[in-house]
Amino acid sequence: QKEVEQNSGPLSVPEGAIASLNCTYSDRGSQSFFWYRQYSGKSPELIMSIYSNGDKEDGRFTAQLNKASQYVSLLIRDSQPSDSATYLCAVWTNAGKSTFGDGTTLTVKP
Amino acid sequence: NAGVTQTPKFRILKIGQSMTLQCAQDMNHNYMYWYRQDPGMGLKLIYYSVGAGITDKGEVPNGYNVSRSTTEDFPLRLELAAPSQTSVYFCASSPRGKSTDTQYFGPGTRLTVL
Repeated sequence: QKEVEQNSGPLSVPEGAIASLNCTYSDRGSQSFFWYRQYSGKSPELIMSIYSNGDKEDGRFTAQLNKASQYVSLLIRDSQPSDSATYLCAVWTNAGKSTFGDGTTLTVKP
Repeated sequence: NAGVTQTPKFRILKIGQSMTLQCAQDMNHNYMYWYRQDPGMGLKLIYYSVGAGITDKGEVPNGYNVSRSTTEDFPLRLELAAPSQTSVYFCASSPRGKSTDTQYFGPGTRLTVL
């Protein structure tokens, strides 16, 4: 089992819809969870971090964490074509390092 | 602030050649990291450093070496390049390596080994 797994995608949604990205992790001791956006040919950029159970909202983005289910998700409301990118889930473990999932590629169609 | 800088942006190596990928940060961060990203995959940690003079292996260290003589610089050395090392390499830094720290990434080096 991979340490961090993301829905494989690709995911395609129409403009204005909600995009839902999912991530599960295997280490129950994981403390912090991050979502990065990566445009093609560019480096990852942090868009959301979440540390405790529940929801965290930032503009059109909502991160959801359920430590009991070892599950973290990212919702993008009112999706825009500029949201088309690969989204990487990263989990910070007790070993003091981040482990990344393989990413989910999102396409928002106008 | 330039943030995290990497050179070169692109490089083609022949099998068996060696090279050093340069990484520098001007944010006075203690922690620095080297990742590789293969097509369609996430980032895999190669090496990391918690401060000048201290380095440790990540998930995929074979074929690479690092050194950290200053806070600012963290070069990655490839010895005897192999086609399996064709990848995009990202350097990153974070202030203290804590679970709440943000990692700041450089623009990447695209390496092809033929």
